[in-house]
Amino acid sequence: AQSVSQHNHHVILSEAASLELGCNYSYGGTVNLFWYVQYPGQHLQLLLKYFSGDPLVKGIKGFEAEFIKSKFSFNLRKPSVQWSDTAEYFCAVNDPGFQKLVFGTGTRLLVSP
Amino acid sequence: NAGVMQNPRHLVRRRGQEARLRCSPMKGHSHVYWYRQLPEEGLKFMVYLQKENIIDESGMPKERFSAEFPKEGPSILRIQQVVRGDSAAYFCASSEGVSTNEKLFFGSGTQLSVL
Repeated sequence: AQSVSQHNHHVILSEAASLELGCNYSYGGTVNLFWYVQYPGQHLQLLLKYFSGDPLVKGIKGFEAEFIKSKFSFNLRKPSVQWSDTAEYFCAVNDPGFQKLVFGTGTRLLVSP
Repeated sequence: NAGVMQNPRHLVRRRGQEARLRCSPMKGHSHVYWYRQLPEEGLKFMVYLQKENIIDESGMPKERFSAEFPKEGPSILRIQQVVRGDSAAYFCASSEGVSTNEKLFFGSGTQLSVL
């Protein structure tokens, strides 16, 4: 069964620092990959997704992620974080043709002003 | 468009009581998914429903849990005889179609606490 690992459970950064959150998945076939964000008190929102094509995916709010098939990875990056990026970030994957997403355990990001 | 609406936001139950969690999908969406997030864990898929049909319930516990999505009204996740281990955040998501998850919209969740 597919599984997703997020390496960091808690990350604390100062504003303007660069961010990279790790995500690895287990199944080596064709997959769809997602990053979701949950701001305090709000619902999950889609940050970006990868289905096919350019492995460097750009999402909303300056986030990007790179799909590296050989490493089974889909790490999330942002060159300069802001206080408003404080949130919990979830990596997710599904096998094409299956409706259900498999989520990682999430990474809580705290950006101090 | 109000988005996916879940209620209540917080639900407190004593052991042995029943919990009913409601989810109104986005307007025009006929596919509903329920996920559960236990403390310190990621979201886990529970069940996928279309109007009046359960399509995939592979993530549902075998006992005490049931879900429905009637022709009229919200989707209901029902937990009978709750136990402390049921304490979790329950998220509902909806989509217009079935082909991709990119159009999956999540609600704000219901936090269930079992005393």
